[in-house]
Amino acid sequence: EVQLQESGPGLVKPSQSLSLTCSVTGYSITSNYWGWIRKFPGNKMEWIGHISYSGSTSYNPSLKSRISITRDTSKNQFFLQLNSVTTEDTATYYCARWGLMDAWGQGASVTVSS
Amino acid sequence: DIQMTQAPSSLPASLGDRVTITCRASQDIGNYLRWFQQKPGKSPRLMIYGATNLAAGVPSRFSGSRSGSDYSLTISSLESEDMADYYCLQSKESPYTFGAGTKLELK
Repeated sequence: EVQLQESGPGLVKPSQSLSLTCSVTGYSITSNYWGWIRKFPGNKMEWIGHISYSGSTSYNPSLKSRISITRDTSKNQFFLQLNSVTTEDTATYYCARWGLMDAWGQGASVTVSS
Repeated sequence: DIQMTQAPSSLPASLGDRVTITCRASQDIGNYLRWFQQKPGKSPRLMIYGATNLAAGVPSRFSGSRSGSDYSLTISSLESEDMADYYCLQSKESPYTFGAGTKLELK
């Protein structure tokens, strides 16, 4: 059974970078697509981007200048970096097996505040 | 970007009711439409994919349908465990976009 787990700091200062890790077990990230999604206070959901089985990436144009999704296949992990954060980036961040959208992490709550 | 207009935003209903949630796509998305259920403190759960296909483990009281650019999620007989937020998502083209969500609650 595939399982995903997000990890990373829960508090980030404005203008700094947000970095999250998604650890995947039970399935290789060299298969399928792997995505990051966030849910804002107020419940709006936004696709951030994804990385493919080959390592190619696709990003939401609204965030493209600030984000990077990378991976470490040896650890079966993929990563999100979001630069120059503001309070508007406060959200719960989810990783998911994006190709099927059938497996999600439990979510990582991130607050941007000084 | 493709806009997904979801309605209603809130849906009070009674146990046993038949309920329907709808998303309208601003452009053609074919059947690239998924429905998710999310309960408080939990991650989203895939309910329907390809507009009409039931995901694994989803009760048969859930169904998805399409009429042109309108997509619907129907619960034939509401049970207490169905109280949750529901979201549609179009995966036809990037950026993939969600509907605003529907809060299904007991009347």
